[in-house]
Amino acid sequence: AQSVTQPDIHITVSEGASLELRCNYSYGATPYLFWYVQSPGQGLQLLLKYFSGDTLVQGIKGFEAEFKRSQSSFNLRKPSVHWSDAAEYFCAVGAGGSSYKLIFGSGTRLLVRP
Amino acid sequence: DTAVSQTPKYLVTQMGNDKSIKCEQNLGHDTMYWYKQDSKKFLKIMFSYNNKELIINETVPNRFSPKSPDKAHLNLHINSLELGDSAVYFCASSLQGPDTEAFFGQGTRLTVV
Repeated sequence: AQSVTQPDIHITVSEGASLELRCNYSYGATPYLFWYVQSPGQGLQLLLKYFSGDTLVQGIKGFEAEFKRSQSSFNLRKPSVHWSDAAEYFCAVGAGGSSYKLIFGSGTRLLVRP
Repeated sequence: DTAVSQTPKYLVTQMGNDKSIKCEQNLGHDTMYWYKQDSKKFLKIMFSYNNKELIINETVPNRFSPKSPDKAHLNLHINSLELGDSAVYFCASSLQGPDTEAFFGQGTRLTVV
């Protein structure tokens, strides 16, 4: 069955430090992978997506993610975190063909130290 | 203009009541969804509609009934509300197909007391 695992419930980084959020997926076919961010009291905003091609994808707000098929991973990175990046981050895989849906990981809460 | 809009944003109601949440998208998308986010932030799909046709009904109690009057609207009606229905409900829309992104509404926080 398809699934997404985000092993880190919380991550705390200092402002200006680099960030990596982990995501592992289980999916039999070519995965369609997404990272969404949810700020407090807000909906989900798409940061970036991977469908095919270059395995390093660039997103909004300075985020990037690298798809590694051999590791079934799609980790999110940012070289220098800003205080405004504090939020909940969700990795998701698109699955189901004609019954398409997003399967989400459990999320990682990012806290930013001043 | 808001791409996917939900109303109301907050909903507090008593057990046993019936309530509805409305969703509208102005993106011209074919597919709309309802997702539920529980108290632990876990997001799970409930329903999806494609061109007003129900595609996914993900083992949701039949007290929950989605209705799509046209492809720009997907409303969620909940009968006989229970404490466990308290959650944030998100509407989303996308073009048809797996290689498309979903656009989410701001969510409706439902609290059943």
